[in-house]
Amino acid sequence: QVQLQQWGAGLVKPSETLSLTCAVYGGSFSGYYWSWIRQPPGKGLEWIGEINHIGRINYNQPLKRRVSMSVDTSKNQFSLRLSSVTAADTAAYYCARVPIMPMSGGAVERTYFDIWGPGTMVTVSS
Amino acid sequence: DIVMTQSPDSLAVSLGERATINCKSSQSVLVRSNNKNYLAWYQQKAGQSPKLLIYWASTRASGVPDRFSGSGSGTDFTLTISSLQAEDVAVYYCQQYYSTPPITFGQGTRLEIK
Repeated sequence: QVQLQQWGAGLVKPSETLSLTCAVYGGSFSGYYWSWIRQPPGKGLEWIGEINHIGRINYNQPLKRRVSMSVDTSKNQFSLRLSSVTAADTAAYYCARVPIMPMSGGAVERTYFDIWGPGTMVTVSS
Repeated sequence: DIVMTQSPDSLAVSLGERATINCKSSQSVLVRSNNKNYLAWYQQKAGQSPKLLIYWASTRASGVPDRFSGSGSGTDFTLTISSLQAEDVAVYYCQQYYSTPPITFGQGTRLEIK
């Protein structure tokens, strides 16, 4: 059974960089997109971006200038970095798996989030 | 971006009764070539990560009880819990994956016991 385990600093100072890693256990790493989603306390879900095993990336436009993602296929891990954080970046951060659907002509379509990590609460405060 | 709007924001239903949550997208999420609606539903219990309930608008995820069902097409969708159980207390989100990036979610509907 596939499980996602995530870790990273729970307290980050303003203007510094948030860094999280998610590891995939018990399943294939290729053949999926791997996403990051965040949820401010008491609020809804915001998609941050996604990456696949060959490093193809999509970011949510409002965060694009500050976000970077990477993969380490040797460890079945993917990572998120968010720079220049402010109090508005305080949130629970989730990693999630995205199945892809093959299309005609060799293209693929990303789909829903079928497996989620447990979440990491990150607080931005001095 | 496709805007997802859920109604109501909160809902209180008696145990054993039907609960209905609506989700409306700002544009159609139906792909006519494969006749699939690119719409998913998630359940988030307090202190937990979201859990996939429904995908392709009406397909139950593995292990989801059959009291949960999804319906609708195009821009209007419904999540129905046929007989509410105590363990169904949660916030429910719809999400579109038709037009990406970005992925967008509804604002959430809080379901409580009356």
